Amino acid sequence: KNEVEQSPQNLTAQEGEFITINCSYSVGISALHWLQQHPGGGIVSLFMLSSGKKKHGRLIATINIQEKHSSLHITASHPRDSAVYICAGYQGGGADGLTFGKGTHLIIQP
Amino acid sequence: NAGVTQTPKFQVLKTGQSMTLQCAQDMNHEYMSWYRQDPGMGLRLIHYSVGAGITDQGEVPNGYNVSRSTTEDFPLRLLSAAPSQTSVYFCASSLSVSPSSYNSPLHFGNGTRLTVT
Repeated sequence: KNEVEQSPQNLTAQEGEFITINCSYSVGISALHWLQQHPGGGIVSLFMLSSGKKKHGRLIATINIQEKHSSLHITASHPRDSAVYICAGYQGGGADGLTFGKGTHLIIQP
Repeated sequence: NAGVTQTPKFQVLKTGQSMTLQCAQDMNHEYMSWYRQDPGMGLRLIHYSVGAGITDQGEVPNGYNVSRSTTEDFPLRLLSAAPSQTSVYFCASSLSVSPSSYNSPLHFGNGTRLTVT
């Protein structure tokens, strides 16, 4: 079974800082999701990628399938970016092939 | 467009009681799933469905039942609640049977916080 490790578990930064959250997985995957869980509990899909890089606003996600590693970057961080960020790797084989990391709790201080 | 709607938002049960968590989506998604989220653990799959009339077990199915009589609805039933089922439950859906199709991200409901005493 795929193991998904996120680092750091907790991160506190000042507004404006460049943020990096890392995700590593133990076995090969075909795709990876990045999710954002708001303080109120709702979960939103940020990115789904299988190679290279994707960008949406101030968020950038990269993946290296061979290295079994993905990163989520936030540029010009803002207090509204405070949330839990979750990565999930997909091994294929159907709907049960998705394994979630435990999440990174990010706090951006004004 | 409501997306994925979960009800109730909060529920307290006594041990042994039964209840149904409701999940509905209005996006004509084939794939629907139920997850539970516990402190210090990642989301874990309970049951999933790849279309009306088709359901399958995930990682932690014991104590839960599901059915998928329509494309829109995917209720989760707790048959006899136990304190170990205290958790936050999320329903999710996506367009394709594979949750990682390129144009098929997961859409989550807002969650149900369940406490079993």
